[in-house]
This record gives sequence, C-alpha cells and structure tokens, in this order.
Amino acid sequence: QKEVEQNSGPLSVPEGAIASLNCTYSDRGSQSFFWYRQYSGKSPELIMFIYSNGDKEDGRFTAQLNKASQYVSLLIRDSQPSDSATYLCAVNRNTNAGKSTFGDGTTLTVKP
Amino acid sequence: DAGVIQSPRHEVTEMGQEVTLRCKPISGHDYLFWYRQTMMRGLELLIYFNNNVPIDDSGMPEDRFSAKMPNASFSTLKIQPSEPRDSAVYFCASSPPNRGGEAFFGQGTRLTVV
Repeated sequence: QKEVEQNSGPLSVPEGAIASLNCTYSDRGSQSFFWYRQYSGKSPELIMFIYSNGDKEDGRFTAQLNKASQYVSLLIRDSQPSDSATYLCAVNRNTNAGKSTFGDGTTLTVKP
Repeated sequence: DAGVIQSPRHEVTEMGQEVTLRCKPISGHDYLFWYRQTMMRGLELLIYFNNNVPIDDSGMPEDRFSAKMPNASFSTLKIQPSEPRDSAVYFCASSPPNRGGEAFFGQGTRLTVV
C-alpha cells in the first residue's frame, strides 16, 4: 500500500461544474496536508494547505480533512479550463517543516 | 525573490558521463529537497537537507547518486556514471521554517541520458 493514494484519473468535468479530488494516507501521525497543482511540463505549485479537521476555503478551492478516516479532499467550484492540470496530494508528519510524501496525482480535465 | 533556481533546464548526456544538477534555494529557507519525477514512479524524494545538513538520503537510488549542500544558497546533485534509466525531471524545492512543510519548487531539470 502506498503511503499516499490518489485516483489517477483522468477526471473530466464540464466547465462550471464542481471537481472533487480525493486522497487517502496511511500514516496516522500525519499533521500537515497539502494540495499542489502541476501543469503539463511545469513544476508543482502549492494551492492549498490544511492542518485541522474540517473545511478550509480559499476562493474557488475548498480543502477538506478527516483525520479519523485518513482522508483529504480538494473541491474546485466553478471549474475552468485553466484548472486542467495534475493535482498532487502531499502529507507531512510535522506541523513545522520537514519532508512531505506525495501521491501520484490526479489529472483533471475541464472541458469548455 | 526569484524563487528556487535550477540549472541547467535541460541536459542531454551520453551514458557513462557525469552529470551535475544545480540548485539555489529561496533565501531564508532552511530545508532543501531533491525530487525526481517520472511517469512510471511519480514524484520521488531523493534526499533532503536541513540547515545544509543531509537529513535523509534513503531515496537516493544507488551509489551513483550524490548530493551536497556546501552553504545555504547552493546545492548540487551529481550522477556518476549516468545511465539511460536516470532520464527524468529532477526538481529542487525549498521550504521556509515553521510553515508546516510547504515546498516551493524550482522549474526542474529535464535530464536525458542516451
């Protein structure tokens, strides 16, 4: 079992729809959770982070964390074609710093 | 700040040659990571440093790989000798202190070993 698992996709949604990306992790000691977006041929960039159970909203993005279920998700509302990318979930045992373990990513395509 | 700077952006080399990848982290960041990304294996952590000290090199695939961080503003990843299976995109990333581990990635070096 991988430490961080994501559906590889591809996930396809129409423009304006809600895209839901899911991630599960195996280490119950994980404390910090991140979502990175990676456009084709580019480097990953951080778009959301969450430390506490519940929801965290930032613009069209909402991260959801459930530590009991070892589950973290990313919702993208009003999806745009520019959201088409691979989304990487990353998990860290520390709240201060240190290394993160990445999932393999979910590729999202938003169709106009 | 200019962000994490990697060089070269592209490298094509022949099997058996030595390859050196370079990274300048963001000033003030105290963690530096080297990752490798391929379609088959995804994003793999090779090694990371904290305050210039190597903390975990368990991801380095074999002795042909080595990494150094002589000071807070510079790191190298060396492959000697290189092999075709080393072909990948190599990312350097840095993290600031007390920010939960969020990483800022460089543009990457696309390495092709022929």
